[in-house]
Amino acid sequence: SAVISQKPSRDICQRGTSLTIQCQVDSQVTMMFWYRQQPGQSLTLIATANQGSEATYESGFVIDKFPISRPNLTFSTLTVSNMSPEDSSIYLCSVKAGGSYNEQFFGPGTRLTVL
Amino acid sequence: AQKVTQAQTEISVVEKEDVTLDCVYETRDTTYYLFWYKQPPSGELVFLIRRNSFDEQNEISGRYSWNFQKSTSSFNFTITASQVVDSAVYFCALSLPLFNQGGSEKLVFGKGTKLTVNP
Repeated sequence: SAVISQKPSRDICQRGTSLTIQCQVDSQVTMMFWYRQQPGQSLTLIATANQGSEATYESGFVIDKFPISRPNLTFSTLTVSNMSPEDSSIYLCSVKAGGSYNEQFFGPGTRLTVL
Repeated sequence: AQKVTQAQTEISVVEKEDVTLDCVYETRDTTYYLFWYKQPPSGELVFLIRRNSFDEQNEISGRYSWNFQKSTSSFNFTITASQVVDSAVYFCALSLPLFNQGGSEKLVFGKGTKLTVNP
């Protein structure tokens, strides 16, 4: 399985600021995703990070709030912009290699608290 | 649209008891994949199993077993002789492959079941 790292592992931020989360994989992967897990809740997909093109966002998530980059097949960033306390969540990067039958692996997550 | 329901919000058992976590899914597609993930208190999501919709064979891995029944759209997870280290939140998830119309490989998660195993 791929080894996935995320930076930072946790952060406490002030309202109105932005935070960029990095996701690094130790091998090239076909697909990369960003999920959000609000406190005590399940995981919700924010967007699919597409290499070399704009990310594909899920309903309820917009590029201005969550800009995503994916410059190559091993790296992606998610920015949480103009943060409010409602953005306090765990943000997880996941990756998928190969064909549809392959499983999706998750990074360790970034715990974000917005004051 | 796809949906995953985990009706059990929390389960508490005593060590060595067997416990079954329920998962019911909804999809109109004939090709789909089902997953179970474990999220211990540390927060990391650990992959446990993937099942193809064409393969209804049950699977056993050590103390873990999975019962996939398409007739009832269920994919239940049983832990035999539970241990304290099994304490975690367990998520069931479903995805559609890219070649399905509207498929995106994204995972649709249930709300999770928090399992507490007491010594």
